[in-house]
Amino acid sequence: AQSVTQPDIHITVSEGASLELRCNYSYGATPYLFWYVQSPGQGLQLLLKYFSGDTLVQGIKGFEAEFKRSQSSFNLRKPSVHWSDAAEYFCAVAPYSGGGADGLTFGKGTHLIIQP
Amino acid sequence: GAVVSQHPSRVICKSGTSVKIECRSLDFQATTMFWYRQFPKQSLMLMATSNEGSKATYEQGVEKDKFLINHASLTLSTLTVTSAHPEDSSFYICSARDATGAGLNQPQHFGDGTRLSIL
Repeated sequence: AQSVTQPDIHITVSEGASLELRCNYSYGATPYLFWYVQSPGQGLQLLLKYFSGDTLVQGIKGFEAEFKRSQSSFNLRKPSVHWSDAAEYFCAVAPYSGGGADGLTFGKGTHLIIQP
Repeated sequence: GAVVSQHPSRVICKSGTSVKIECRSLDFQATTMFWYRQFPKQSLMLMATSNEGSKATYEQGVEKDKFLINHASLTLSTLTVTSAHPEDSSFYICSARDATGAGLNQPQHFGDGTRLSIL
């Protein structure tokens, strides 16, 4: 069975500073990896995803993530955060069933706090 | 862009009531939809996979008689929480897989969730 570990429950970053959110996964085959963002009481917005190809993936809102198979990691980065980036961030892994990702397994999330 | 509408967004009801939550794909067909549950300040847990025209597949530990799923059309899946009790209070989120594309081009789109509170 697949699993996702987000080791940081909370992260506090100053506005304008760089950000890296960590994600490690466990999956027997080639993983289908995602990063989502959730604002309080809201649904999920997809930031980016990876299945194959270039291991550095560009997403929306200036986010990027790098897939490192040797480290089983898929860390999310942003060079300069904005106050509007404050939210809950989830890393997820899913099996691939030919037509797309199956049900996702999520990490526990990282709560991002932005200091002025 | 692709939109998934989830209704209602919030529901409060008495213990013992059955509650139906709808998940609609508004501008694409979804042969597969997924239902998740999220406890306060916790992660999302996959409850079941809903396939159009067939029985849902439930994850281990999820009571299928408690959480009834129906996926009668390519744009609608419903989750009914039967005889709800306070421990069923949670945030329920659906996602729909866009079947329009082929291969990897079948992204999942999430609804905005339903906050269920059982008194």
